[in-house]
Amino acid sequence: DIQMTQSPSSLSASVGDRVTITCQASQDISDSLNWYQQKPGKAPKLLIYDASNLETGVPSRFSGSGSGTDFTFTISSLQPEDFATYYCQQYHNLPLMYSFGQGTKLEIK
Amino acid sequence: QVQLVESGGGVVQPGKSLRLSCAASGFTFTYYHMHWVRQAPGKGLEWVAVISYDGSERHYTDSVKGRFTISRDNSKNTVSLEMTSLRPEDTAVFYCAREKSPIEGAGLDYWGQGTLVTVSS
Repeated sequence: DIQMTQSPSSLSASVGDRVTITCQASQDISDSLNWYQQKPGKAPKLLIYDASNLETGVPSRFSGSGSGTDFTFTISSLQPEDFATYYCQQYHNLPLMYSFGQGTKLEIK
Repeated sequence: QVQLVESGGGVVQPGKSLRLSCAASGFTFTYYHMHWVRQAPGKGLEWVAVISYDGSERHYTDSVKGRFTISRDNSKNTVSLEMTSLRPEDTAVFYCAREKSPIEGAGLDYWGQGTLVTVSS
């Protein structure tokens, strides 16, 4: 099974900061990596799919990059509504399988 | 608009069974793979199971293999999760989620509100 290592597990930042979260796969997953945001008591929301594609309706301050085993998620300028927990997720098509990273809780400094 | 509504959660004793359902609307259900994802209290997301658009493929995370069964009824636009031999560590909010169609990319683009399963004596 492919293991995902997400870091950091928590992060304190201020409004306007640039924030980066990383996710590392235990083996090459090409660009099969998605990023989600989850706020307390709510379902996750897809932000980035296939490593670098912005989901429809998601603000352009969110971005993703990477390929193979190393991936990065960036918020270019933090907004108050961005304080949440973020998860990476890898997927495998044959067979269909998904797994999530451990999550990064982004808190207000 | 796309809606996914889970039901069937509740309190159940260890070793017992429970069936979750997810009613889908607002999209052509037969085109999409469907997933269950769970989240234990205060913990991260855990992918549980997927069923292909036509029900021909089903896959599970290792911790539920042999205990959970995912199914779908394309005539009723529903996906279900039959859970047997439940353990306290299965306590979680269970989400139903839709996978984007292959031409749209990947990822779980719509989620239900979740249903809480508590396994306790």
